[in-house]
Amino acid sequence: AQTVTQSQPEMSVQEAETVTLSCTYDTSESDYYLFWYKQPPSRQMILVIRQEAYKQQNATENRFSVNFQKAAKSFSLKISDSQLGDAAMYFCAYRSSGGGADGLTFGKGTHLIIQP
Amino acid sequence: EPEVTQTPSHQVTQMGQEVILRCVPISNHLYFYWYRQILGQKVEFLVSFYNNEISEKSEIFDDQFSVERPDGSNFTLKIRSTKLEDSAMYFCASNFNGGNQPQHFGDGTRLSIL
Repeated sequence: AQTVTQSQPEMSVQEAETVTLSCTYDTSESDYYLFWYKQPPSRQMILVIRQEAYKQQNATENRFSVNFQKAAKSFSLKISDSQLGDAAMYFCAYRSSGGGADGLTFGKGTHLIIQP
Repeated sequence: EPEVTQTPSHQVTQMGQEVILRCVPISNHLYFYWYRQILGQKVEFLVSFYNNEISEKSEIFDDQFSVERPDGSNFTLKIRSTKLEDSAMYFCASNFNGGNQPQHFGDGTRLSIL
């Protein structure tokens, strides 16, 4: 079974600065998908960024980028120019590449605080 | 932008009672999911549903749970005889074709068992 570990229960960053959230995972599969989801206090989880394991290039979405290290099974999220609206729980998630409707395996989450 | 909607937002139920949580997935999506999040813990996969049948389920999804797509728009999770430990946030999600397509989540239903 796959596991996802987020070792930082809480992180704090000053507005406009850069913060990196850590995620490691354990799997025996060679192909899979990785995601970062954001859950603001309003509760709905929103996809931030995704990465296919077969792609060597790190995914980027505006101020959000990942550092995907397949050999190390690491998938960190970097948020540049942090904004107050970035404050939320951030969940790292893993999904097998098999076809069909496999569920996501989530980490415990990192609570990101943005200091004004 | 279309959204996954869940009702009710908060459900309070006596232990032993049956509860039905409702979800309306995004209209052109084909895969549907339920997750739960016990307070302070990680989000856990319960079940996925495709083509009117369960596709995958976790160990959590035992005989007290069932899912149904009673019509062309709703997707429900039924808990037959609720226990105190069923208290959690329940999230519905959907995506178009599984795989690496992002799952779109609803706001969740907070289930409180008394």
